[in-house]
Amino acid sequence: NAGVTQTPKFRVLKTGQSMTLLCAQDMNHEYMYWYRQDPGMGLRLIHYSVGEGTTAKGEVPDGYNVSRLKKQNFLLGLESAAPSQTSVYFCASSRGQSVEQYFGPGTRLTVT
Amino acid sequence: QQQVKQSPQSLIVQKGGISIINCAYENTAFDYFPWYQQFPGKGPALLIAIRPDVSEKKEGRFTISFNKSAKQFSLHIMDSQPGDSATYFCAASTGSRLTFGEGTQLTVNP
Repeated sequence: NAGVTQTPKFRVLKTGQSMTLLCAQDMNHEYMYWYRQDPGMGLRLIHYSVGEGTTAKGEVPDGYNVSRLKKQNFLLGLESAAPSQTSVYFCASSRGQSVEQYFGPGTRLTVT
Repeated sequence: QQQVKQSPQSLIVQKGGISIINCAYENTAFDYFPWYQQFPGKGPALLIAIRPDVSEKKEGRFTISFNKSAKQFSLHIMDSQPGDSATYFCAASTGSRLTFGEGTQLTVNP
């Protein structure tokens, strides 16, 4: 039981490049989330999904897109990376509408 | 605009001491208040949570105190240990969405 896994762990992009972050969970959770963590700002919700095929905007969705084609996977895309998107990105999942969210180990992204 | 404000930003305590972290919120629609603990290089993990109709919840050395009228809540860590050194986040939920505070980096010196 791996829990929540994230790929890749680290990535450096140049401004304007695109990339996709992959999140996978093996706990059969309905809900999945993408957060970004910046110093002094805590974790901020980017997008979330309450089930396969459904997504919704969070607090800071601009510049990001997501897809939930399979229940166990949640993808976060950056179409044209900007230096302001330099951050640590965390994926999480939960069993329904629960405050107990299970987080992955994070992806450190640097945009130069 | 941060809907959940957390203080202090950093905290240093001696082993055996009490660590206290405070949070305040504005949105009265929040319906659950969890605390998360994060070790370096790891994702956050749920530590303890409280509903707004309860004034205090204790789990081992960790206690949440909740003041609904003041819209404030706090985490108390009794008999703090070096292994408690981590970043702590308060949060507030509406439905499935969590709003996090800024985080407090706790260091417990041996």
